[in-house]
Amino acid sequence: DTAVSQTPKYLVTQMGNDKSIKCEQNLGHDTMYWYKQDSKKFLKIMFSYNNKELIINETVPNRFSPKSPDKAHLNLHINSLELGDSAVYFCASRNRAANTEAFFGQGTRLTVV
Amino acid sequence: GEDVEQSLFLSVREGDSSVINCTYTDSSSTYLYWYKQEPGAGLQLLTYIFSNMDMKQDQRLTVLLNKKDKHLSLRIADTQTGDSAIYFCAEKDSGYSTLTFGKGTMLLVSP
Repeated sequence: DTAVSQTPKYLVTQMGNDKSIKCEQNLGHDTMYWYKQDSKKFLKIMFSYNNKELIINETVPNRFSPKSPDKAHLNLHINSLELGDSAVYFCASRNRAANTEAFFGQGTRLTVV
Repeated sequence: GEDVEQSLFLSVREGDSSVINCTYTDSSSTYLYWYKQEPGAGLQLLTYIFSNMDMKQDQRLTVLLNKKDKHLSLRIADTQTGDSAIYFCAEKDSGYSTLTFGKGTMLLVSP
């Protein structure tokens, strides 16, 4: 029944590794997002996809590459992980056409050691 | 660019009312939201208000919007210990519909 689900919930990895976080929504929404919440709890938009097309790409290192295989999925791949990438990453989705509110996943806590 | 400001901390006693304030800068915001984040959990939408409204009530929650001053508040009546969490104010960008969040207000409710 989970509307927006992310996996994994926790991810601990070493510097320099490549990792992916997956996100799936079963709400039939047309737009998905990735937000980053840093250690001070500040939430910032990273990417937005509408109908599988990238529409927002904030100032994010190009080591971060989102992939949307279909409208229900938006995965985040991170290359060459750095200590500063440690944060909680939230996926969200909404129906932009119908102007609904955004629903968030539970977050993925990424710790780079 | 858009900016959303909130006070960072609020402490109240159980049974009291809590008022969390927020100011924003984007006058073209169409929707304003309050999200709740419990420790270790995701963001839960509490309530939202359309910019042409000045008040919205939903059970113990009352949202007041002063569009002229770009000021939004969330009042929680009869605050309970289970209300302890971080509350984020957010505005919806009128263009690409992303959310700009405030830094969050940590509400601590003591018995």
